[in-house]
Amino acid sequence: NAGVMQNPRHLVRRRGQEARLRCSPVKGHSHVYWYRQLPEEGLKFMVYLQKENIIDESGMPKERFSAEFPKEGPSILRIQQVVRGDSAAYFCASSQSTDTQYFGPGTRLTVL
Amino acid sequence: DQQVKQNSPSLSVQEGRISILNCDYTNSMFDYFLWYKKYPAEGPTFLISISSIKDKNEDGRFTVFLNKSAKHLSLHIVPSQPGDSAVYFCAASEGNGNQFYFGTGTSLTVIP
Repeated sequence: NAGVMQNPRHLVRRRGQEARLRCSPVKGHSHVYWYRQLPEEGLKFMVYLQKENIIDESGMPKERFSAEFPKEGPSILRIQQVVRGDSAAYFCASSQSTDTQYFGPGTRLTVL
Repeated sequence: DQQVKQNSPSLSVQEGRISILNCDYTNSMFDYFLWYKKYPAEGPTFLISISSIKDKNEDGRFTVFLNKSAKHLSLHIVPSQPGDSAVYFCAASEGNGNQFYFGTGTSLTVIP
């Protein structure tokens, strides 16, 4: 069952360190989306990528956050110089086109 | 600015009865809607979708109703089962848009 895979499932970082979150989409899906869920909140869109291109990054903070989806390999969400407020669950989703998105299990980031 | 709202954070229903989860939206350009179910420590799982050309879509025990004039959709689960206990998110997008807007979720508890 080659669903959306995310790793690591749990990530602990100290303030100021970098966090790298990985997402492997469903085989054949070329659209990848990253969402963040803060405690007691719903999912918030961050960024939408197709292979090698960022299509929409309107939900991503302008500083410290970046995302990529290279031609080969998983999509990466990178958070530099993490702060406590970055602690959240980060979900990746993929789709074949701009319709139903299928989600991975998420990465829970804890910043100490 | 919350464009998709789920005003009931929680709902309890007796096993065998109907569960009705509600969702309101503000953007009249939304024309594609989905419901996701989420268990703790897992990613959201797609349940059912509806496009604005329909007012009802049914899949087994799950039915989604869309009232475009009221900008309201609802998910009916009948009969409810204890395994349905989870957080349910509604999501909406503009047809050819990339970004899904999620509600904050409703936690459903089905009491055996």
